[in-house]
Amino acid sequence: GQQVMQIPQYQHVQEGEDFTTYCNSSTTLSNIQWYKQRPGGHPVFLIQLVKSGEVKKQKRLTFQFGEAKKNSSLHITATQTTDVGTYFCAVTDNDYKLSFGAGTTVTVRA
Amino acid sequence: NAGVTQTPKFQVLKTGQSMTLQCAQDMNHEYMSWYRQDPGMGLRLIHYSVGAGITDQGEVPNGYNVSRSTTEDFPLRLLSAAPSQTSVYFCASSTGQGAMPQHFGDGTRLSIL
Repeated sequence: GQQVMQIPQYQHVQEGEDFTTYCNSSTTLSNIQWYKQRPGGHPVFLIQLVKSGEVKKQKRLTFQFGEAKKNSSLHITATQTTDVGTYFCAVTDNDYKLSFGAGTTVTVRA
Repeated sequence: NAGVTQTPKFQVLKTGQSMTLQCAQDMNHEYMSWYRQDPGMGLRLIHYSVGAGITDQGEVPNGYNVSRSTTEDFPLRLLSAAPSQTSVYFCASSTGQGAMPQHFGDGTRLSIL
């Protein structure tokens, strides 16, 4: 299936700081989805990006799709304890199979 | 509206036993899938279905069977449990193709001794 690399694998953030997690592919993507999984929970859909260079914001979260549609980023500003969890990107290699990255696990120091 | 319901939430099996993980959705979604989640490996697709009567293999199908007799239900069967199948299993559904946002159940935490 489609391979995507997520970096970093772990992100330890001081409360109030910003951070960015990245999702990279060696091939051009048709779209990319982002999910958040709280500890002990299930993945929850955050957003989907489709267009080259697309930028979408959800409060303190900013999602970007690269111009070449081979990478994506999630930037969180002013990190809060509610941001703790694992963030996954997911891509399709056809219309049916969705492949997930390994995720970035975020911990927050108060 | 319950969304995606998985049962059981926890299960311990002995090597060689068989069991069925249940998944039901009440959103009339055509597309359903099963994933397993292991530490550091994200979610890996086991099997998926694009509609009643149609199933196909994902990335890690060996040791698992599925069927889709109704739109609502998509059970996952472990034929002969092995310790390597110890994992958290998630069922997901969506309105259509895999490119659509997935709705996940709460998961089944399965341990094989």
